[in-house]
Amino acid sequence: DQQVKQNSPSLSVQEGRISILNCDYTNSMFDYFLWYKKYPAEGPTFLISISSIKDKNEDGRFTVFLNKSAKHLSLHIVPSQPGDSAVYFCAATGANNLFFGTGTRLTVIP
Amino acid sequence: DVKVTQSSRYLVKRTGEKVFLECVQDMDHENMFWYRQDPGLGLRLIYFSYDVKMKEKGDIPEGYSVSREKKERFSLILESASTNQTSMYLCASSPEPVLGAPNLHEQFFGPGTRLTVL
Repeated sequence: DQQVKQNSPSLSVQEGRISILNCDYTNSMFDYFLWYKKYPAEGPTFLISISSIKDKNEDGRFTVFLNKSAKHLSLHIVPSQPGDSAVYFCAATGANNLFFGTGTRLTVIP
Repeated sequence: DVKVTQSSRYLVKRTGEKVFLECVQDMDHENMFWYRQDPGLGLRLIYFSYDVKMKEKGDIPEGYSVSREKKERFSLILESASTNQTSMYLCASSPEPVLGAPNLHEQFFGPGTRLTVL
């Protein structure tokens, strides 16, 4: 049973526009959420995270929003750049495990 | 820069063979993890270790075992490979354990091993 879901397998965005990647989770005990980025033939790399006590965390062009009541988080990339084209995984942690979503492939069109 | 290396990028084995996947990290991290990545399923945790000779089961440990004899090295073992173990295997490490629980934040991943079992 998938506890972390990314319902959009792919997303295409024009360069310079905003990319919004969404993630839903089912377990209200999750207390920390992360986004990872993965290029082909490489392992995932950590991008940004947010604690459940916050509703927003910003790092340069990347902002993660958390809506605990809706059990939903999103990653905003502004402005999107061609180098952002990759697969993005959201992940959630609680206790002794880290649960990953299935990933969203972002393509930024020049 | 944290470096996590995996012994092979591509591996082809036959059903029933014993398979060893090796992972080495050079940043003195306490925690190490093995995941498999499959289309439509994301990354799933197989096993993790928060100290030498310590191991804990993840979501899908069946058919796998692990070994952590040295802090920098974490091995994943398929005792008798089966075709449903064909997958991308990713190793990761992270620092700063908290009271025996693994630090699940900001894990550093290796490049992955694509294993095909025929």
